[in-house]
Amino acid sequence: DTGVSQDPRHKITKRGQNVTFRCDPISEHNRLYWYRQTLGQGPEFLTYFQNEAQLEKSRLLSDRFSAERPKGSFSTLEIQRTEQGDSAMYLCASSLAFGDGDYGYTFGSGTRLTVV
Amino acid sequence: GNSVTQMEGPVTLSEEAFLTINCTYTATGYPSLFWYVQYPGEGLQLLLKATKADDKGSNKGFEATYRKETTSFHLEKGSVQVSDSAVYFCALSDNSGGSNYKLTFGKGTLLTVNP
Repeated sequence: DTGVSQDPRHKITKRGQNVTFRCDPISEHNRLYWYRQTLGQGPEFLTYFQNEAQLEKSRLLSDRFSAERPKGSFSTLEIQRTEQGDSAMYLCASSLAFGDGDYGYTFGSGTRLTVV
Repeated sequence: GNSVTQMEGPVTLSEEAFLTINCTYTATGYPSLFWYVQYPGEGLQLLLKATKADDKGSNKGFEATYRKETTSFHLEKGSVQVSDSAVYFCALSDNSGGSNYKLTFGKGTLLTVNP
């Protein structure tokens, strides 16, 4: 297993365009998280999935943002009508949750979005 | 709500110096506490963690003790190396009320170690 993979690593887009990012979690992990990290700040939680169900969304996730995890495997994060304020590193993480525990929480290397 | 406050950087040290990065937290429940490290161009890596009061997390010479009375989780290392240069993030996971393990991070502290 190669860990959590994110694609692309970098994306430059013009304001108003739509972008989509992909995250491939560790194969046996049932939870998947999206975070956003702006320059000089720590990552901020956006949303998470348990299997294919999206269980929580942060208020940071405006209606221009949508995330999916079809079949409980990979996930996509789409941003519509991008704005300059969307420029950030988008991080994906996955973990295995069972019983009362959460194991193997692993981050990907992120997708850096620049909106020009 | 939950929050993490950590020492502002950047921190610049000479090799073999002693390192402390302060971290305090506010949480509604009884959190687990973490230190993550981010090397240039790489993702976040878990450095150490502690899940209950007085637990000490340790890894690669780094240590941090969960202090409930002072709501702190300060990171220490007795002798830093150039390879420790990175950004360090303190984080918490509030596990009360269910099984949501989302993390709340501090702003990060940039550590530069000079030879």
